[in-house]
Amino acid sequence: AQSVTQLGSHVSVSEGALVLLRCNYSSSVPPYLFWYVQYPNQGLQLLLKYTTGATLVKGINGFEAEFKKSETSFHLTKPSAHMSDAAEYFCAVSRSSSNTGKLIFGQGTTLQVKP
Amino acid sequence: NAGVTQTPKFRVLKTGQSMTLLCAQDMNHEYMYWYRQDPGMGLRLIHYSVGEGTTAKGEVPDGYNVSRLKKQNFLLGLESAAPSQTSVYFCASSYQLGEQYFGPGTRLTVT
Repeated sequence: AQSVTQLGSHVSVSEGALVLLRCNYSSSVPPYLFWYVQYPNQGLQLLLKYTTGATLVKGINGFEAEFKKSETSFHLTKPSAHMSDAAEYFCAVSRSSSNTGKLIFGQGTTLQVKP
Repeated sequence: NAGVTQTPKFRVLKTGQSMTLLCAQDMNHEYMYWYRQDPGMGLRLIHYSVGEGTTAKGEVPDGYNVSRLKKQNFLLGLESAAPSQTSVYFCASSYQLGEQYFGPGTRLTVT
């Protein structure tokens, strides 16, 4: 069975500081990995995804994530936080062999950016 | 393109009442999903569909039914609402192994 664990339900950083949101997954087959962002009272928007190929993935708004198979991790980073990055972030996993496209989501991490 | 739309945006029900949530997508996606979002629990899959006329149970299907009579629409029904079904409901659609596109959500309160 697949699972996703996001370490830290709340992360607070100062504007301009490094953002690091942690995600570890469990999967018995090669995973597809996703990071989504949810702004208040909105739906989820894809930030980036890993399917195959390069393990360092760049997404929108300056975010990137690195797939580390040996650590079963897919942590999200951004070099310099902006006030507009304040939102909830979800890591998700699916099976590369899936015929349903189902995603398993982590519990979410709320990012607070302080001025 | 409107993407994924959901109707209604807000709804308040009394215990025992029924209602249907409508999800529509204009991207010609085969796959559609219904999730519920509760604080601290992420998104949990209720039901999903891999094509017109097909549906399947997800992680938390009890108390819900779905139908996919047309490719572009996916309906979620609550036959007898319970306070435990107070939640925010999201619909999503995708190609088979592609990213899922989410609607704006429906906030449901059951009193």
